[in-house]
Parts: sequence; C-alpha cells; structure tokens
Amino acid sequence: GQNIDQPTEMTATEGAIVQINCTYQTSGFNGLFWYQQHAGEAPTFLSYNVLDGLEEKGRFSSFLSRSKGYSYLLLKELQMKDSASYLCAINDYKLSFGAGTTVTVRA
Amino acid sequence: GAVVSQHPSWVICKSGTSVKIECRSLDFQATTMFWYRQFPKQSLMLMATSNEGSKATYEQGVEKDKFLINHASLTLSTLTVTSAHPEDSSFYICSARGLWTARLPPQETQYFGPGTRLLVL
Repeated sequence: GQNIDQPTEMTATEGAIVQINCTYQTSGFNGLFWYQQHAGEAPTFLSYNVLDGLEEKGRFSSFLSRSKGYSYLLLKELQMKDSASYLCAINDYKLSFGAGTTVTVRA
Repeated sequence: GAVVSQHPSWVICKSGTSVKIECRSLDFQATTMFWYRQFPKQSLMLMATSNEGSKATYEQGVEKDKFLINHASLTLSTLTVTSAHPEDSSFYICSARGLWTARLPPQETQYFGPGTRLLVL
C-alpha cells in the first residue's frame, strides 16, 4: 500500500515562491505525479518525476528523491489563478493520491 | 491533445434509480480508464480500473454489483450507479491513460475528465 503526506494548507503572496512537500512510503513505485485541482473541477496534469532530480516546466518545478521518499512542487512568481489544491500522486500502474495541499494566493 | 470528456456533468436523481455516466477519450485511444470518487474537501479515491475488453478491477470496499463498469471500446467507458442512495452523492471523475508515440507526455500520465456531480435525493 501507500502512505502519502502533504501539508493541508499554505498561504503565500502574489509574486512569491511556495514549495509544497510530499513524503511517501510505498510498496511499488513507477513515478510521482503532481496535479492541480481548482475547486469543483477535475485535476489537471502538472508534472511527472520517475528519476531523481529536478524537472522544470515554466513557473512550476518538481523534485524527486526516491531514496528519501520525498518530492516537492515549487511554484514561482505566484499568480492569483494558482490558488488551488495541489495533489501528489504515486504511480504504481494506478494512482494513489495524497489528501492535497490547498494553496491560497493573496494580493 | 489528451482530452477526456464526461457526460453528464450534473445529475440529480431519486433514491433507487440507476444513473449512467459516460467517459470518452476524444483524441487518443485509452487502453486503461480509471474511475474515482471525491467527497467534499477530500482527495480522489480510486474506485476501479478498467481495461478495454476485459472486466474492471475494483478497489477494496467498492461493490462491483452496485458500480457497474463497461469499457467496450478504446474511447468509451461507462459507470452505472445502480439503485442509487443519498450516500452515493459525490463527484465522480474518470481518467484515461493511453499509448503515445512521442516521449512527452509520459505514457503513464492519466488525463482526467471534467467530472460528474451526482446528487441522490
């Protein structure tokens, strides 16, 4: 099975940087996904890490350390539209989601 | 690319009736489709995994006779909630995973439909 931990909530100011941590314990691992979910909507794909290291995609970056069971999602130059829930998900040919981190961006 | 649609987006029904939700991959062939349920302020919980042409694999605690899944083609899966009760009211989301010829996006990526809100009175 999987055990996935993320902080429940984070608040940051527009233009700032926020780092969302995800720690996990899993019996099987075939990559880690980050999804963004706005209230009342379905999740949208942000990033995928299967090897250790940093993956950068525009304002969003994601890091993975398999030996530590640790990942983070880094959001830079925060915008109001980034206010959403961010879901860490372990892929073992099916996805197991963490509870999600609600990020609130304030002006 | 990678568009997944769901129909209907909203459904209200009486207790005891059955509701069918459709999930379609519009621009790719979905070898595997997944059905999730999400209650307010909670994360997504996987209900079942569906491979085209074979029986769905249900997660522990999910009644297969209550939640009927059919994956008859590479672009369509349906979830039927039979004899719905108020406790079945939830946000039902499907996702699809397909085969890609290009390296990106990663083949493991699941793309989600917009979800279906079910309210059972």
